[in-house]
Amino acid sequence: DIQLTQSPSFLSASVGDRVTITCRASQGISSYLAWYQQKPGKAPKLLIYAASTLQSGVPSRFSGSGSGTEFTLTISSLQPEDFATYYCQQLTPLTFGGGTKVEIK
Amino acid sequence: EVQLLESGGGLVQPGGSLRLSCAASGFTFSSYAMSWVRQAPGKGLEWVSAISGSGGSTYYADSVKGRFTISRDNSKNTLYLQMNSLRAEDTAVYYCAKDIAVAGPAYMDVWGKGTTVTVSS
Repeated sequence: DIQLTQSPSFLSASVGDRVTITCRASQGISSYLAWYQQKPGKAPKLLIYAASTLQSGVPSRFSGSGSGTEFTLTISSLQPEDFATYYCQQLTPLTFGGGTKVEIK
Repeated sequence: EVQLLESGGGLVQPGGSLRLSCAASGFTFSSYAMSWVRQAPGKGLEWVSAISGSGGSTYYADSVKGRFTISRDNSKNTLYLQMNSLRAEDTAVYYCAKDIAVAGPAYMDVWGKGTTVTVSS
């Protein structure tokens, strides 16, 4: 099965910072990757799918890029509401990365 | 408003059974695949199972294959997960999620609030 490895696992950042999270797949997955945001006690929220397509209603400061085995989620200017855990997800079979927790510095 | 509402969670002994339900509203239920995703306490997300919009195709994670059965009743706009031979490691919050497409499983754009399953003696 294809494994997804996220880095870093933990990230400490300040409001206004540019933040980049990486997701590496153990085999090529074309552009079949999504990113989710999850806040404590809440359900995940779809941010990006097909590697770079912004889900409706998601702020434009979120962007995704990559194909094959390396993908990135970028938050251009971190806002207070963005402190959360972020997961990548691929399709075949459907698996999630281990998560990246973004905390306030 | 698009909504998913899970129910049926609770405390069950190892080896026991439980059936989860997910009531959908605000969209054409039969036009989308649906999934169950779980999250053990303090852990990450784990996809459990998915079903196509018609119900004709089902998919399972290896960890639950042969023990869990996913189904749907499109006339009732309801998704189910029958869980048998439950183990301690099945303890988690179980989320119902709507796929963005009919065939599934793919990307999940609407999620319920989750229902908690605890397997313990």
